[in-house]
Amino acid sequence: DTAVSQTPKYLVTQMGNDKSIKCEQNLGHDTMYWYKQDSKKFLKIMFSYNNKELIINETVPNRFSPKSPDKAHLNLHINSLELGDSAVYFCASSQLGDLRYEQYFGPGTRLTVT
Amino acid sequence: EDQVTQSPEALRLQEGESSSLNCSYTVSGLRGLFWYRQDPGKGPEFLFTLYSAGEEKEKERLKATLTKKESFLHITAPKPEDSATYLCAVRQGGANNLFFGTGTRLTVIP
Repeated sequence: DTAVSQTPKYLVTQMGNDKSIKCEQNLGHDTMYWYKQDSKKFLKIMFSYNNKELIINETVPNRFSPKSPDKAHLNLHINSLELGDSAVYFCASSQLGDLRYEQYFGPGTRLTVT
Repeated sequence: EDQVTQSPEALRLQEGESSSLNCSYTVSGLRGLFWYRQDPGKGPEFLFTLYSAGEEKEKERLKATLTKKESFLHITAPKPEDSATYLCAVRQGGANNLFFGTGTRLTVIP
């Protein structure tokens, strides 16, 4: 009964490759997010979708493209991977209209680009 | 520019030694301050939300408080299982995302 799940948990790939990370939430939330956590543990928002519509798109290279087929799923596709893309990527979800607004995070995907 | 600063970066406590973690913020129109716990290799786990100055929330050995400029996470008589990184995040009025601090890595020694 995992609330927010991500696959894969680990991803090791070479520079120049294209890869995808998948996220699913079963909380019935209408908003999902992608965060990047760097080696210094700083967690920074990348994208946010509300009911399949992109609502936040921070300064992220065009090589990163999120896709939300429905409000329970948010995938992240990365083209032409670079060494600097190595990080842990977290998916999260929340109920946007809920005053409590807490976000629930997935377990993370550790991406290593060699 | 909006900022969230956490201190100290790392904290080592003996079991039972109470202490506080600090989160200071500079945002316009705060719409919530959030505390999360993150264990190694896992995603952040939600602990508390605080909305207005003077508000306090408690959960087991943890107590979070909020002023107009900062929040404290008080840990009373910590146990080794409280060891984790504690993250503070703020939501600015009109924004949909959370802005995180860099966290305090807490180690509780038996």
